[in-house]
Amino acid sequence: GAVVSQHPSWVICKSGTSVKIECRSLDFQATTMFWYRQFPKQSLMLMATSNEGSKATYEQGVEKDKFLINHASLTLSTLTVTSAHPEDSSFYICSARVGGTKDTQYFGPGTRLTVL
Amino acid sequence: EDQVTQSPEALRLQEGESSSLNCSYTVSGLRGLFWYRQDPGKGPEFLFTLYSAGEEKEKERLKATLTKKESFLHITAPKPEDSATYLCAVLANSGGYQKVTFGTGTKLQVIP
Repeated sequence: GAVVSQHPSWVICKSGTSVKIECRSLDFQATTMFWYRQFPKQSLMLMATSNEGSKATYEQGVEKDKFLINHASLTLSTLTVTSAHPEDSSFYICSARVGGTKDTQYFGPGTRLTVL
Repeated sequence: EDQVTQSPEALRLQEGESSSLNCSYTVSGLRGLFWYRQDPGKGPEFLFTLYSAGEEKEKERLKATLTKKESFLHITAPKPEDSATYLCAVLANSGGYQKVTFGTGTKLQVIP
């Protein structure tokens, strides 16, 4: 089956610093990658949709200057949380979409971010 | 606005006691409905994609069905290892692009 990896899986940083999270599709090329965040005991909230070679589409209420998304290739997307603050602490999950007639998305294992 | 509602919020079953989870949706331009299972602290694990009303898919003790308004995830003779949160999500056309909307999940606990 399709495998999506995320790195790092767990990160702690100081307030004001920036953190980059990588999302890779390991055995397929993804037409689109999505970034989600999930707070404890809540469902996934879509942050942005990332298409290779173009600007990401952000959901309402998500600051594009704070959450920088770069989709450099069909197998790699990165999310950079800039000037992180404690309220940015969350579980960040990416997914990679396999398009075409059998549209499906596969999720990475997630990245736990804690901002002190 | 697209809406996805899952019920019940939580479900406790005895091992071997079959049941169903519900996912109701209100979207325009449905392209697909996904079912995932999520264990605590991990990313969702893909289970099924359903594309059109009347479609059914099976995997081990799980069977997913789809109508024009809702989807059911049937669990037959569950085992404790089936305990997890089950999420459904819909992929739909929204404002010129495609958007995924998740339900809040059903937390399933299977007791030995």
